[in-house]
Amino acid sequence: GAGVSQSPRYKVAKRGQDVALRCDPISGHVSLFWYQQALGQGPEFLTYFQNEAQLDKSGLPSDRFFAERPEGSVSTLKIQRTQQEDSAVYLCASSRRDTQYFGPGTRLTVL
Amino acid sequence: GDSVTQMEGPVTLSEEAFLTINCTYTATGYPSLFWYVQYPGEGLQLLLKATKADDKGSNKGFEATYRKETTSFHLEKGSVQVSDSAVYFCALTQGPSGTGNQFYFGTGTSLTVIP
Repeated sequence: GAGVSQSPRYKVAKRGQDVALRCDPISGHVSLFWYQQALGQGPEFLTYFQNEAQLDKSGLPSDRFFAERPEGSVSTLKIQRTQQEDSAVYLCASSRRDTQYFGPGTRLTVL
Repeated sequence: GDSVTQMEGPVTLSEEAFLTINCTYTATGYPSLFWYVQYPGEGLQLLLKATKADDKGSNKGFEATYRKETTSFHLEKGSVQVSDSAVYFCALTQGPSGTGNQFYFGTGTSLTVIP
């Protein structure tokens, strides 16, 4: 596609529910990143994929967060047993060389 | 570790005013530096970048010069427009993203331009 797309754009979850956030990167981009952006803050790194391999997950805040990219294209970020502190915008980026191209994000609100 | 510090906002300017948004960084080696812009309801868009010292990135009338001696990458525009109203993020990365180099972002500076 022309750019990175993410779905859903908005998600409201009750505390304790599981959620799944999807990212479709730019076609042909090998590298994919997930970031978390809290209100009024800059994005913070969560995890990185090169093709289907998750090479860095050092930014995942807890073991409730899980990401996958099984075929090296679409990626899913899953959050289990959501908590209020998980409320944020989750950004996906795919990259070419040293530039990252961001999707519009998924705004997650946990009630 | 690597980090970016931006001037705090919000910033409010009249149309055609001069804009400066300060950005300084802490990093080892020779990072690449970026400015991203986020318009309301949209994702981050690359505005400009510079990959080595003394490089000047420019786009849409915005400019920023990579100053290694002052570890700065200040964003400037000579005459802002209402359409420039957005949040601006300064960022750095240590190398090609293909090797897993993440971006480090500042907290963002909100700019509002009034007619």
